[in-house]
Amino acid sequence: DAMVIQNPRYQVTQFGKPVTLSCSQTLNHNVMYWYQQKSSQAPKLLFHYYDKDFNNEADTPDNFQSRRPNTSFCFLDIRSPGLGDAAMYLCATSRDRGRETQYFGPGTRLLVL
Amino acid sequence: GNSVTQMEGPVTLSEEAFLTINCTYTATGYPSLFWYVQYPGEGLQLLLKATKADDKGSNKGFEATYRKETTSFHLEKGSVQVSDSAVYFCALQSGAGSYQLTFGKGTKLSVIP
Repeated sequence: DAMVIQNPRYQVTQFGKPVTLSCSQTLNHNVMYWYQQKSSQAPKLLFHYYDKDFNNEADTPDNFQSRRPNTSFCFLDIRSPGLGDAAMYLCATSRDRGRETQYFGPGTRLLVL
Repeated sequence: GNSVTQMEGPVTLSEEAFLTINCTYTATGYPSLFWYVQYPGEGLQLLLKATKADDKGSNKGFEATYRKETTSFHLEKGSVQVSDSAVYFCALQSGAGSYQLTFGKGTKLSVIP
């Protein structure tokens, strides 16, 4: 009864080669978030979708993009990964914005060679 | 702005010892407070939460009480197990319409037999 699913769990890519990470949810939540978590650090919000509305955080690099084709799925695209983009990428959902609990997926660990 | 301060880790305890992880916060208004746990190589799992002053969140033997007067949300467990070894993140979410989780830096707990 997994609620927030991320694929793949581990992804290896080459420097500069575009990569896409996937997230799906069975909760029918309106909001989906993408976080970046580097080693031994707290998660950092990159952006979120409120329904179909995309909301980028001010300091998220242009190299990171996202798509949400329907309620259940959300993708994180890294156009030209650099070594500094190696991290755990966490997807989360919430029923709405505001005082709503966010539920996280297991994460995708990205390695850039 | 909002901020969360957690006690520095790592914390190493023997099995069945008492655990306290301190968390204090600064926020506008009346935030919701959360503890998330991250097991090695995994994503974040919601451990417990409290949404108003004097609320006590509890789960799996862990407890934390929302103390407005001391702006604290300390995590406690009476008897830790080896399986509790993980990184614990305190987080807050402030105000209606505010979706962003502000995390502390995390506290790594290691429980030895």
